[in-house]
Parts: sequence; structure tokens; C-alpha cells
Amino acid sequence: AQKVTQAQTEISVVEKEDVTLDCVYETRDTTYYLFWYKQPPSGELVFLIRRNSFDEQNEISGRYSWNFQKSTSSFNFTITASQVVDSAVYFCALRANQAGTALIFGKGTTLSVSS
Amino acid sequence: GAVVSQHPSWVICKSGTSVKIECRSLDFQATTMFWYRQFPKQSLMLMATSNEGSKATYEQGVEKDKFLINHASLTLSTLTVTSAHPEDSSFYICSARPDREVYGYTFGSGTRLTVV
Repeated sequence: AQKVTQAQTEISVVEKEDVTLDCVYETRDTTYYLFWYKQPPSGELVFLIRRNSFDEQNEISGRYSWNFQKSTSSFNFTITASQVVDSAVYFCALRANQAGTALIFGKGTTLSVSS
Repeated sequence: GAVVSQHPSWVICKSGTSVKIECRSLDFQATTMFWYRQFPKQSLMLMATSNEGSKATYEQGVEKDKFLINHASLTLSTLTVTSAHPEDSSFYICSARPDREVYGYTFGSGTRLTVV
């Protein structure tokens, strides 16, 4: 069975603080894909990143960075110098390698950034 | 590229009536589409997987007679909530996998259903 755990339900920070959102996953597959999505109050899901299980290189995109640790089954997301516009719900998701399978989402972490 | 259009964005209906939600892939063909449901402040729960030209596969606990899914073409999947009740009020989101995309998924903007 596949499972994604986002233990942090809500996080509140002040602008310019760095914040890390945790994601731990469970899967028996050797090949799988991990994702992060942002869901602003409007509801649409904004794709942030996807990573396959064979690529453990960390990635940086502007203020966003991701740390993939296969040894601990974690795929954490860090926002550097947070901004008010970063306030949203962030979901980590997992997909098996098998074609036609859906994304399995964690419960999400609500990030509130105040000015 | 890889845009999914979901319509309507929001709908209010009376108890006992049916509501149809459309999910269209605008610039790609999608053999497989997925329907999710999201309650306030909760995660996205997979309801069903629809494959073009065949019956949808429903997740455990989802009533197939209540949530009718039709995927009649490679660009359109519909979800019909039949005999809606207030407890069906929720945010419904569709997702499509472009056939040429190995692992990328595109999501619609969601439909907020309120049953009164």
C-alpha cells in the first residue's frame, strides 16, 4: 500500500523566515514518483515539482528547494525568505510506476505567512 | 500545453437533483482521467479512475450508482452526481494524464458543489 504523511497540519511564519514542509512516504515500489502541489484559496492545484525515485539530487528553483532522502523516505520542501503570497495549502503526493495509476496525496500542510 | 478545463467552477443545486461536471483536456488526448473529492480543510481523496471507452474503476466506499462517470472520448470525462444530498457538497477536481507524458498529471480548476 502507498501512503503519504504530512505531519505538519498548520505552520505560521513571519515574512522572510525560512520554512520547511515535511513529507514522508511509504511504498513497496522500487520506481515511483513524488510531487509537490500548492493549493491557494482559489482551489486550483499548482504543480511545483515531480521527482522520480532514481533521482536523489536535491533541486532548487528560486526560493524553493527540495530535499529527497530515499534512506528516510522523505521528500521535504523548503521555502526560503517566505512571502505572504506563499500562504496556501501544500500537498505532497506519490505515484506508482504503473501506467494509469493516480496520485496519492498527503493531508496537506497549511502555510500562513504574515507580514 | 497540457491544459485541463473543468466546468462549472461552482454549482448550487437542490436536494434530489443531478449535477454534471465536465473535465476536458484541451490540447492533448487523455486515455486516463481521475476524479478527486476534497472536503474543507482536508486532502484530495481519489474517487475513481476513468478510462476512455470502458467503465470507471471506483475506489472503495464510493457509490458508483451515485457518482456516474463517463469517459466517452479521449478529451472528455464527466462526473454526474445523481440525487444529490447536502452531504455531497464538496470540491470536486479532475486530473488527466497526457498520453505522451510518462508521469506528468494536469489538474482542472475544480468544481465547488453546494447542495441545498
